[in-house]
Amino acid sequence: KNQVEQSPQSLIILEGKNCTLQCNYTVSPFSNLRWYKQDTGRGPVSLTIMTFSENTKSNGRYTATLDADTKQSSLHITASQLSDSASYICVVRTNNAGNMLTFGGGTRLMVKP
Amino acid sequence: ETGVTQTPRHLVMGMTNKKSLKCEQHLGHNAMYWYKQSAKKPLELMFVYNFKEQTENNSVPSRFSPECPNSSHLFLHLHTLQPEDSALYLCASSQEIGMRNNEQFFGPGTRLTVL
Repeated sequence: KNQVEQSPQSLIILEGKNCTLQCNYTVSPFSNLRWYKQDTGRGPVSLTIMTFSENTKSNGRYTATLDADTKQSSLHITASQLSDSASYICVVRTNNAGNMLTFGGGTRLMVKP
Repeated sequence: ETGVTQTPRHLVMGMTNKKSLKCEQHLGHNAMYWYKQSAKKPLELMFVYNFKEQTENNSVPSRFSPECPNSSHLFLHLHTLQPEDSALYLCASSQEIGMRNNEQFFGPGTRLTVL
């Protein structure tokens, strides 16, 4: 069964600190992995997409990594800001005819001043 | 803004009411989706439309009835809902289904409360 597990479920950090969110998946066959940011009361917005051949990709203060062998991804946030407070959702797409998505449960991040 | 709008943003309804959620996308996409997001649970795909044709119904109860009159508009008609149907209902659109790096763009959602 295709599954995406994220950890931690929730996280509180102080403004300016770094943090790393984890995503483990059992989706097969793998096509790509996307990290979304969902602000409270808003829909998810894509931060980055990782394909099989990519190990690291950055988008400003966000850096995603992918280890396709161990089926793990991480999202590292550097020098956190209050506006980083949101839920971060890991989504994995299969590489078959359906190209279906499997969603993780998300990590709720709160950045405090 | 992502180019996907949803109305209403908030809805409170009784179990005997009939209401509709509306989604509109201004991105020229051909695929549209309805998702349910409950607290502490992953997004659940409900329905998929591709070029106005329904391609997926993810075992959704018949009290939820989708309608896609054209590629830009998607409705979710609600009737005789249950309190456990209370959730955030998200609409999304993408270029079309089946494309590998197909990014889905989400609307802001409708927060539904069933009393």
